[in-house]
This record gives sequence, C-alpha cells and structure tokens, in this order.
Amino acid sequence: DSGVTQTPKHLITATGQRVTLRCSPRSGDLSVYWYQQSLDQGLQFLIHYYNGEERAKGNILERFSAQQFPDLHSELNLSSLELGDSALYFCASSVGSGTEAQPQHFGDGTRLSIL
Amino acid sequence: EDQVTQSPEALRLQEGESSSLNCSYTVSGLRGLFWYRQDPGKGPEFLFTLYSAGEEKEKERLKATLTKKESFLHITAPKPEDSATYLCAVAGGTSYGKLTFGQGTILTVHP
Repeated sequence: DSGVTQTPKHLITATGQRVTLRCSPRSGDLSVYWYQQSLDQGLQFLIHYYNGEERAKGNILERFSAQQFPDLHSELNLSSLELGDSALYFCASSVGSGTEAQPQHFGDGTRLSIL
Repeated sequence: EDQVTQSPEALRLQEGESSSLNCSYTVSGLRGLFWYRQDPGKGPEFLFTLYSAGEEKEKERLKATLTKKESFLHITAPKPEDSATYLCAVAGGTSYGKLTFGQGTILTVHP
C-alpha cells in the first residue's frame, strides 16, 4: 500500500460528459502529480501541484484541469469527454517540490471508460 | 525532450534463470533514474532511485545499475512472484517534477 488513495476505482460514462477524479496524497507529501496510462502511449505526465500551486504541465488537454486544495488532496477534472480519453489515470505524490529527484509514490488509479 | 527506451518488450524466464532488463535514456542533465514494478490493475510500485553513473542499488533478487547512457535491472534467480511489468523513468534537468517513463518490460517467470 503506497498510502496514495484514488477514487473512484472505475468510471463509466458517455462522450461529452464531465467527470472528476480525486486523489489523497501520502501523509506528509506536499506534491501531487497526475499521469495518464494508455496501451499505446504508456505513462504520460499531465500536471504537477505543490502545496496548492501548479508547478508543471505536460501534454494536458485544454479540456482537462486540476487543482490541489488546502488539505492537499487533488482533483482532476475531465470535460467534453471523447472515446480517446478512455485510460487509466494515476495520481502520485512526493514529499518535496519536484526540484529534487525524489521518488513519486503512485495510487492504484482510476479506470475511465467512455462509451 | 527526454526519452526512455526499454528492452526487451517482454521476457519469459524459467524460475531460477537470471537475466537483465535494459533502459536506455536521453536526457538533458539527469537528476535521477527510477525503477518501478507494476502489477496488473495496480499503480507503479517504487523500487530504486539512481542518481549518478556507477551507482548500484540492491533489493532482494533485484540489482539496478546506472551508466551515462543506460540502466540495467538485474534479476538473480527469479521466482514466479517477480512476474510483473518493470518500468524505468527519468527526471531530467529541465523537467522539474515530471517523470518520463519507458514503455516497460513485461517479465513472466515460469515455475
């Protein structure tokens, strides 16, 4: 158990809809990262938050947004969903701000299926 | 742009048959190289961090090594429970917080 909690484990929805994925980091970790894992692309970095502030963005679509709240949990919002958004979405956390090369600890992901 | 290539894509071993997985990387200023294990339906589980060429780390039957261009994950006398996908990732000099992952090696150990 990594200590990172993601909910829900599974989401099934339709094209055009909006969903929110939730992540609680390990106790004491201030950084939260979001990744997307698909069969053809592997694990792709989406976005990084440190102590409530956005620190880095990857190839995150404009239809996707995230935020980190004062209690350090984070939410990833996906809107106007398309079939290609079907994937596993992972959250990871680490103690530092990301400037140090510290290991990131992953949750077990949310499997998103778009019908 | 940071790049990571892992080989082979899949590896089948008999129990006790030692082997190595390769991770080749291209990065501007390596700050750290990470090895993870991922079981089906689970998130990646952290194994090792290597920071500089020549560094080695061991954990049970696994040993990770690092050169300036690649890393190896050596598996000695593997057991069926070592079956998993092994992922390599790098943190580059200008990509604070971002890990760039390889596609992984699917390891299957037969009893």
